[in-house]
Amino acid sequence: DVKVTQSSRYLVKRTGEKVFLECVQDMDHENMFWYRQDPGLGLRLIYFSYDVKMKEKGDIPEGYSVSREKKERFSLILESASTNQTSMYLCASSPPRGKGTQYFGPGTRLLVL
Amino acid sequence: TQLLEQSPQFLSIQEGENLTVYCNSSSVFSSLQWYRQEPGEGPVLLVTVVTGGEVKKLKRLTFQFGDARKDSSLHITAAQPGDTGLYLCAGARGDYKLSFGAGTTVTVRA
Repeated sequence: DVKVTQSSRYLVKRTGEKVFLECVQDMDHENMFWYRQDPGLGLRLIYFSYDVKMKEKGDIPEGYSVSREKKERFSLILESASTNQTSMYLCASSPPRGKGTQYFGPGTRLLVL
Repeated sequence: TQLLEQSPQFLSIQEGENLTVYCNSSSVFSSLQWYRQEPGEGPVLLVTVVTGGEVKKLKRLTFQFGDARKDSSLHITAAQPGDTGLYLCAGARGDYKLSFGAGTTVTVRA
C-alpha cells in the first residue's frame, strides 16, 4: 500500500510566523503535490515537484514556497503566515505513467491566528 | 470556475436507497479518478477509469466514464451509513496534474 505521511495533523500559528509542513512518501514516487482545501472551493494546487530539486507553481503559489531535497520528502513553507492561509493542507504523490492517480496523506489542518 | 462540475453538491438519503453522483466537464480527460474523503482526513482513492465508456464496479459502487471521456458518474446501490463522506472526482489531461471537482457531500441516515 502507498503511504503518504504528513508531519502534523493540526497546527496553530501566529500571523507572521514561518511555517513548515512536511510530507513523506514511501513508494519511490517521482511526483509530489501540495494542495489546500477550503469549503466550496475544492482542492487547489499550490506547488508540485516531478523530481528532486525540481518544482513548479500550481494555481495558487503566492505566499508559499517548497523544497524537495530528497525524493521521498516534499516540504511546504509559509514564509509569513497570514489568516487567509488558514486551511486544510494536503500532500499527494504519484508514480510516473500512473494515469494521473494520486495518493494523499491525512492532511494538516492549519489555523493562523 | 471549476473545470469539473459535480452534482448534486449535497445528498442526504436513507439507508438502503440508491444514489448517483455526476461529474461533468467540457474538457476531455485522459483518465478520471474518484475519491472519498471523511471529515478531517485526506481523500482516499476509490477508482481510476481510463477508457471511454468504461464501467468499473467496487462492491456496491459502480463507476462509469463517458464515451467522450468528458464526464463520469458514481452510483451506489443500497447505501449504508459507512458510505457517508465527501466524494471527489478528478480528471487528468495527459500530464500528471489533476483538476478536481468541488465535491458531493453524501449523508446516509440509518
